[in-house]
Amino acid sequence: GAGVSQTPSNKVTEKGKYVELRCDPISGHTALYWYRQSLGQGPEFLIYFQGTGAADDSGLPNDRFFAVRPEGSVSTLKIQRTERGDSAVYLCASSLSQSSGRTGELFFGEGSRLTVL
Amino acid sequence: QQQVKQSPQSLIVQKGGISIINCAYENTAFDYFPWYQQFPGKGPALLIAIRPDVSEKKEGRFTISFNKSAKQFSLHIMDSQPGDSATYFCAASKGNYQLIWGAGTKLIIKP
Repeated sequence: GAGVSQTPSNKVTEKGKYVELRCDPISGHTALYWYRQSLGQGPEFLIYFQGTGAADDSGLPNDRFFAVRPEGSVSTLKIQRTERGDSAVYLCASSLSQSSGRTGELFFGEGSRLTVL
Repeated sequence: QQQVKQSPQSLIVQKGGISIINCAYENTAFDYFPWYQQFPGKGPALLIAIRPDVSEKKEGRFTISFNKSAKQFSLHIMDSQPGDSATYFCAASKGNYQLIWGAGTKLIIKP
């Protein structure tokens, strides 16, 4: 497809379980971002990849959260020992990188809604 | 210093009217101010964006007004239509990717 694809669209899990959320960015976009959106709030930055490397992971809330992008395309957000407070919509976005160092327009996927019971 | 404050939280406008949403920021280093539109169950989509070297930017029915000295910017939707009903987010960043988002405004356009 032409847009950012995220799977699963919905995930319900029990407290303490491990969860993986997948993001397939727009082809050719080297920059990839994960954001988290709680109900009634704006998205909150988690991590930014430029190619295969995490250029900035300062938004990850704690060491239970980890993300990878091994081949510079698809990314997986991994959450260990899930807690009820992790319940949110996890949004992935991608963009072209610009020579100026700025990133271009962010294109968001529809998100993965995580519910931790 | 990193906050972006958005108001109102919700807004009801008659069809054909003007919708106005306001945002204020604190960090004077911010140099990119986008507005995003989000429909239920969808990801945010970029609507219009401005950089601080201009005071206004217009795209169709959507206009951003930017006041650098007051550290405020606003979105105006002219001739508001029912299809504009959505949640609108302002955001700000320094140069690149780490957008700081407002809390959102739920806009309802009454037919």
